Amino acid sequence: GENVEQHPSTLSVQEGDSAVIKCTYSDSASNYFPWYKQELGKRPQLIIDIRSNVGEKKDQRIAVTLNKTAKHFSLHITETQPEDSAVYFCAASRGYSSASKIIFGSGTRLSIRP
Amino acid sequence: GAGVSQSPSNKVTEKGKDVELRCDPISGHTALYWYRQSLGQGLEFLIYFQGNSAPDKSGLPSDRFSAERTGGSVSTLTIQRTQQEDSAVYLCASSLRSTGSTDTQYFGPGTRLTVL
Repeated sequence: GENVEQHPSTLSVQEGDSAVIKCTYSDSASNYFPWYKQELGKRPQLIIDIRSNVGEKKDQRIAVTLNKTAKHFSLHITETQPEDSAVYFCAASRGYSSASKIIFGSGTRLSIRP
Repeated sequence: GAGVSQSPSNKVTEKGKDVELRCDPISGHTALYWYRQSLGQGLEFLIYFQGNSAPDKSGLPSDRFSAERTGGSVSTLTIQRTQQEDSAVYLCASSLRSTGSTDTQYFGPGTRLTVL
C-alpha cells in the first residue's frame, strides 16, 4: 500500500539552531503535503502545508520544501525556541479530487535544548 | 465555529466490556478518520469515511473494532470485549474534501481509553 516515511524519529537541537525533518512518499499521485505539530497532551494541529505546484513555502520561522521528482519533502525550522518542542507529523494526500485517504508519517519528536 | 468534538474525554472500563466512542465532525466535512495513539507513539490509522463511499476499514486491528457514520455526520467507534492493549487515546479527524479545498485534517481532543 501507499506509504510515507519520516526521519529522524527523534531530534535534539540547541535553542537557536535549525531543525530539519524529512519525509518520502510512495504515491506519485499525491499533491498535498501538510505538516502537523502535536504538543504534549494535545491534539495534532496543522502548522504549514504545500501543494505540488510549488517547490517551497515559508511562514515566519518554518518552511517546507517539496521535490516531486524525488518524492520527498522537508520541514525546516530556523532559530528554534523552547516552544518548538513537540512531535511533528508529515502527511501526503491526493487532495479533494480523490477518495483515497491521507497517509501520515510516523512522527519526529523534536526537543530543544536550552 | 465549532471544531471536532469527541466524547467521552476519558473512559475507564474493565477488560471484556464493550465501549462506544463518539465523534462529532465539523459540519459539512465529508471525510472522517479514526486514529489510535498509544503513549509516545504515532498516529495509527483505523478507519476512514468519505461521503457515501464504502468506508476504508483497512486499519482496524481486529474484528472487535467497528465503526459507523450515520447520516454522513456523527461517527461511533465501538470496541467489543476490550483488552488491556486497547488502552490508548482515540483521535477523530475530519476534513472538507470539496472543490477548491485542501485535505486539511481537523482533529478532535481525543478519548483516552483505559482498560483495567
